[in-house]
Amino acid sequence: GDSVTQMEGPVTLSEEACLTINCTYTATGYPSLFWYVQYPGEGLQLLLKATKADDKGSNKGFEATYRKETTSFHLEKGSVQVSDSAVYFCALNSNSGYALNFGKGTSLLVTP
Amino acid sequence: GAGVSQSPSNKVTEKGKDVELRCDPISGHTALYWYRQSLGQGLEFLIYFQGNSAPDKSGLPSDRFSAERTGGSVSTLTIQRTQQEDSAVYLCASSSDRVGGYTFGSGTRLTVV
Repeated sequence: GDSVTQMEGPVTLSEEACLTINCTYTATGYPSLFWYVQYPGEGLQLLLKATKADDKGSNKGFEATYRKETTSFHLEKGSVQVSDSAVYFCALNSNSGYALNFGKGTSLLVTP
Repeated sequence: GAGVSQSPSNKVTEKGKDVELRCDPISGHTALYWYRQSLGQGLEFLIYFQGNSAPDKSGLPSDRFSAERTGGSVSTLTIQRTQQEDSAVYLCASSSDRVGGYTFGSGTRLTVV
């Protein structure tokens, strides 16, 4: 079945460091891919998405490119801020239905 | 409403009691989902409703769990004879299509003592 694998955290970075959170997926066909973010004490929010191969989703300085050849959707940011501290979830939606499959989440802590 | 509303935000119940969790999705969203988020376990899919179609119940962990959606809008997740392992945050989300992504509610934190 469809699945998503994320790098395990926690990830601790200093402010202004570069961030990469790896995400790979297994799915038949051409799924849509998403990154969600959960700030402390809050619900999940959609951060960015890509619906077809080679699409790049971007938002708030974060980017992720849908790579079908490597079945990956890594999340990147060139310079993180303390306010980026949160848990990040990679997810996919297969073509066969609406339900999203989520990875286990990666906790990010950015220190001043 | 403007967002997905869940109630209550917190619920403490005694082991063996039944609980009902409510979700009010975004108006016009045809799909509604329930997920469970346990500490260190990520998001576990429970059930989803799509329009008037039969719900996908494949994620419900046991027959103590059930959900309904009345009039294609509000949904209630019921857990009967609660157990301590049911303690988690129960998240509801809704969406209008497959590619737009979900809008999540803030969740109900259930604690079974």
